[in-house]
Amino acid sequence: AQSVSQHNHHVILSEAASLELGCNYSYGGTVNLFWYVQYPGQHLQLLLKYFSGDPLVKGIKGFEAEFIKSKFSFNLRKPSVQWSDTAEYFCAVHNDYKLSFGAGTTVTVRA
Amino acid sequence: KAGVTQTPRYLIKTRGQQVTLSCSPISGHRSVSWYQQTPGQGLQFLFEYFSETQRNKGNFPGRFSGRQFSNSRSEMNVSTLELGDSALYLCASSRMTGASTDTQYFGPGTRLTVL
Repeated sequence: AQSVSQHNHHVILSEAASLELGCNYSYGGTVNLFWYVQYPGQHLQLLLKYFSGDPLVKGIKGFEAEFIKSKFSFNLRKPSVQWSDTAEYFCAVHNDYKLSFGAGTTVTVRA
Repeated sequence: KAGVTQTPRYLIKTRGQQVTLSCSPISGHRSVSWYQQTPGQGLQFLFEYFSETQRNKGNFPGRFSGRQFSNSRSEMNVSTLELGDSALYLCASSRMTGASTDTQYFGPGTRLTVL
């Protein structure tokens, strides 16, 4: 069965620091990958997605992610975080009409 | 364009009761998926519907069921509620234009509390 692993449970950063969240998946076939974000009190929103093509994908709010097939990874990055980036971040793999999510990483940005 | 809407937003039930949750997808979206979100288990897939047909089901007991109507709206039902069913139930819709993958857009969820 496919699975998604997120390396960090909770990350605490100061504003302007760089952010990188790790995501690894276990699935041998073609994968479609997503990062979703859940801001406090809000619903899940799509940050970015990878279906095919350029392995470096850019999303909303300055986020980007790199798909490295050989490492089964899809890490999320942002060069300079803001207080408003405080949220929970979920990596997900789509297969067989369903999304399989990682456990999520809570990111707290201190002003 | 209106997003995915879910009703009710909050629900309190007691053990043994049953509950029905409703989801209206984004206009033009034909696929509806349901997920359960809990602090302990995270986000888990319940089922997916397309053109009134269930195409996949997650690892949940038979007490969890769903259906989709011809207008793509969907309902899920949980019978004989247990304390462990307390969760945020999320609905997501996607266009499913024929590609094997499409982006899922999530609703705000229904917060179910079982006492």
